[in-house]
Amino acid sequence: GDSVTQMEGPVTLSEEAFLTINCTYTATGYPSLFWYVQYPGEGLQLLLKATKADDKGSNKGFEATYRKETTSFHLEKGSVQVSDSAVYFCAGGRTGNQFYFGTGTSLTVIP
Amino acid sequence: DTAVSQTPKYLVTQMGNDKSIKCEQNLGHDTMYWYKQDSKKFLKIMFSYNNKELIINETVPNRFSPKSPDKAHLNLHINSLELGDSAVYFCASSQGGIAEAFFGQGTRLTVV
Repeated sequence: GDSVTQMEGPVTLSEEAFLTINCTYTATGYPSLFWYVQYPGEGLQLLLKATKADDKGSNKGFEATYRKETTSFHLEKGSVQVSDSAVYFCAGGRTGNQFYFGTGTSLTVIP
Repeated sequence: DTAVSQTPKYLVTQMGNDKSIKCEQNLGHDTMYWYKQDSKKFLKIMFSYNNKELIINETVPNRFSPKSPDKAHLNLHINSLELGDSAVYFCASSQGGIAEAFFGQGTRLTVV
């Protein structure tokens, strides 16, 4: 079945460092792709999304580009802050199919 | 207004008890979900309801039973609770099945 695979954590970065969290998808057809963020003690919030190839989703300084040729949707941010410390989930879904998540990547940003 | 609300936020109970978690969404979405998040943050879908009909029923024990009185509510009833049921349970909703999913704040269930 369809799925996403994301890099395992935990990831620890210093403030203002560059962030990349890798995510690749396996699907028949072209799913919509999402990044969700879960702050400590909270539910998941949509961070950004892309619905077709070459789309770029962006929000709060985070970006991810839907790349069909590499079946990837890597999350990037140029300069992380302490407040970005959270668990990040890659997710995907297609009409008529369930919504599926990756295993999550924990990010800790230290001052 | 909270888009997806679930109650209670915390639930501590003894093995063998029966408990329910309630979920309500005020977004007018047609699909609601229950997810289980384990201690390693792994999210597993348990159930999905579309217009009050079950469309996904993953291989969860039949001690877990979802109940949807209307499309704005999806409750989770758990019979004969076991230690391994301890986790955080999230309710979510979406429109059309794959559009952006909105999540509740979670219910932390602890079985002692």
